[in-house]
Amino acid sequence: QVQLVESGGGVVQPGGSLTLSCAASRFSFSSYGMHWVRQAPGRGLEWVAFIRYDGSNKYYTDSVKGRFTISRDNSKNTLSLQMNNLRAEDTAVYYCAKDFYSAALQGNWFDPWGQGTLVTVSS
Amino acid sequence: EIVLTQSPATLSLSPGERATLSCRASQSVSSYLAWYQQKPGQAPRLLIYDASNRAIGVPARFSGSGSGTDFTLTISSLEPEDFAVYYCQQRSNWPLTFGGGTKVEIK
Repeated sequence: QVQLVESGGGVVQPGGSLTLSCAASRFSFSSYGMHWVRQAPGRGLEWVAFIRYDGSNKYYTDSVKGRFTISRDNSKNTLSLQMNNLRAEDTAVYYCAKDFYSAALQGNWFDPWGQGTLVTVSS
Repeated sequence: EIVLTQSPATLSLSPGERATLSCRASQSVSSYLAWYQQKPGQAPRLLIYDASNRAIGVPARFSGSGSGTDFTLTISSLEPEDFAVYYCQQRSNWPLTFGGGTKVEIK
């Protein structure tokens, strides 16, 4: 079955940077759009970013525009999230998730999800 | 941004009882609505998509209904493993948004 494994989380100071990775396997990675979704401790879910299957378009929630960059390497089945100028409110578990439909031009449903990686922004 | 409001925030029920969860959108999302289940310490799991379609492997006791702005997730008879938090999500407009969640707890 589909496997998504996130890595790269940790503790970072406000204003710092971090890059998250998501290793995908057991499906045709290059055929599916991918998402990042986050969940602050004890809070609900927040969609962060989406990248189309071929990397041609990227979408972000307003609070991360200009600070976060989603990217993918279809030759390595890897999704990334470069996070710059981090703020305390970015503290969360970050999940990567596969889009439900193949070759979708826009974001749809998240299925499945990885287990997440925790990012803590604190001095 | 489309705001999804879930109610109630908490639902206290006993195993075997019927659970009815509501999700209301601030504007029409047509049938572009999904439901997810999240258990403590786990990633969310897709249950229902396009308002009423069960995802693969989801038991038949889970059903979704609605369109436009009002949606319902029904669990016909609660099993012990169904006590969890449930989120709705829309894909009608960017940004993709989630409701605040409904916690189904054991009474």
